Amino acid sequence: LAKTTQPISMDSYEGQEVNITCSHNNIATNDYITWYQQFPSQGPRFIIQGYKTKVTNEVASLFIPADRKSSTLSLPRVSLSDTAVYYCLVVPFSGGYNKLIFGAGTRLAVHP
Amino acid sequence: DADVTQTPRNRITKTGKRIMLECSQTKGHDRMYWYRQDPGLGLRLIYYSFDVKDINKGEISDGYSVSRQAQAKFSLSLESAIPNQTALYFCATSDAGTGSSDTQYFGPGTRLTVL
Repeated sequence: LAKTTQPISMDSYEGQEVNITCSHNNIATNDYITWYQQFPSQGPRFIIQGYKTKVTNEVASLFIPADRKSSTLSLPRVSLSDTAVYYCLVVPFSGGYNKLIFGAGTRLAVHP
Repeated sequence: DADVTQTPRNRITKTGKRIMLECSQTKGHDRMYWYRQDPGLGLRLIYYSFDVKDINKGEISDGYSVSRQAQAKFSLSLESAIPNQTALYFCATSDAGTGSSDTQYFGPGTRLTVL
């Protein structure tokens, strides 16, 4: 499984766009990039997943360059409620895969 | 996610006691997982089950056991609790869809304290 590296913490202000970059140099051909969000004392929640280029949903966008060795989670116009820990995971294409490897994640603090 | 419930939500116990944490899901998923999370750290996998007759150890299974009573129920037991098992425990479910990787859905967690 590819190891991921992301910043330990980030600070932002309400209304700003936040970009969290994750590096995964050893990503394999059949790996997907997945992001989860976790609020204090709650279970992680799936945000977005992508394989290449750009994926967008109602919550975030995910940018993946052609070499796929990194990815960037973009949160548009953050609010205080976006304060959470964000985890970047590399997950093999479905086929008996069993676990998610969560690192320490990125602690995002959104200030008024 | 309200479709995945865990009981109890909080539990304080003493060293040496046997403890069972329960997880139920109404999502109809075949796959279920137990994770633990220590303060400031990510989640680590304890056990997982792909169906009722399938049980597999995760990376930190020592001191734990599980039971998959039905598709919807997956219990985690601490045979003889010790203080370093104090942690936040999460149950998760997934249903591998065609053409995409598993998305896991987590319960609200059980905070366990072993004195």
